[in-house]
Amino acid sequence: GDSVTQMEGPVTLSEEAFLTINCTYTATGYPSLFWYVQYPGEGLQLLLKATKADDKGSNKGFEATYRKETTSFHLEKGSVQVSDSAVYFCALSPNGGSQGNLIFGKGTKLSVKP
Amino acid sequence: EAGVAQSPRYKIIEKRQSVAFWCNPISGHATLYWYQQILGQGPKLLIQFQNNGVVDDSQLPKDRFSAERLKGVDSTLKIQPAKLEDSAVYLCASSISGRTYNEQFFGPGTRLTVL
Repeated sequence: GDSVTQMEGPVTLSEEAFLTINCTYTATGYPSLFWYVQYPGEGLQLLLKATKADDKGSNKGFEATYRKETTSFHLEKGSVQVSDSAVYFCALSPNGGSQGNLIFGKGTKLSVKP
Repeated sequence: EAGVAQSPRYKIIEKRQSVAFWCNPISGHATLYWYQQILGQGPKLLIQFQNNGVVDDSQLPKDRFSAERLKGVDSTLKIQPAKLEDSAVYLCASSISGRTYNEQFFGPGTRLTVL
């Protein structure tokens, strides 16, 4: 079945460091891909998305490119801030369109130190 | 705009007891989802409603879990009887429609502990 694999955490970085969180997927057809973020004490919220191959999603300085050839959707940010400390989830929505259910990875906890 | 509301926020019960969770989606959202998030894992879909009809309940343990969405608005998820392995956060989410490109908005979740 469809699945998402993302890098194990926790990830600890210093402020202004470069961030990469790897995400690969297994799916039939053409899924939509998402990154969700969960800040401490808050609910899950959409960070960015891409709905077709070679699309780049971006938001709040974060970027991810839908790479069908490598079945990947890695999250990157050029300079992290303490406020980016959160748990990041990669997710896919399977091909088909009519059912928008999400399949999530296990999550990667990011801690950014000042 | 009000977000997805869930209650209670926390619940502690003994195994074999029953429990119910409530969700009020964003106004006008036709699609409602219930996810189970076990500690250290990503959320897993339990059931998806489109208005008041079930779209997908393939991963719902139907021998103990039930859910309904009367009138296509609020929803309740029930566990009866609860097992230790049901300890998790139960997330409700809603979207305008069930299309893959529609953003899902999540509630704060209900943290269930089964002793």
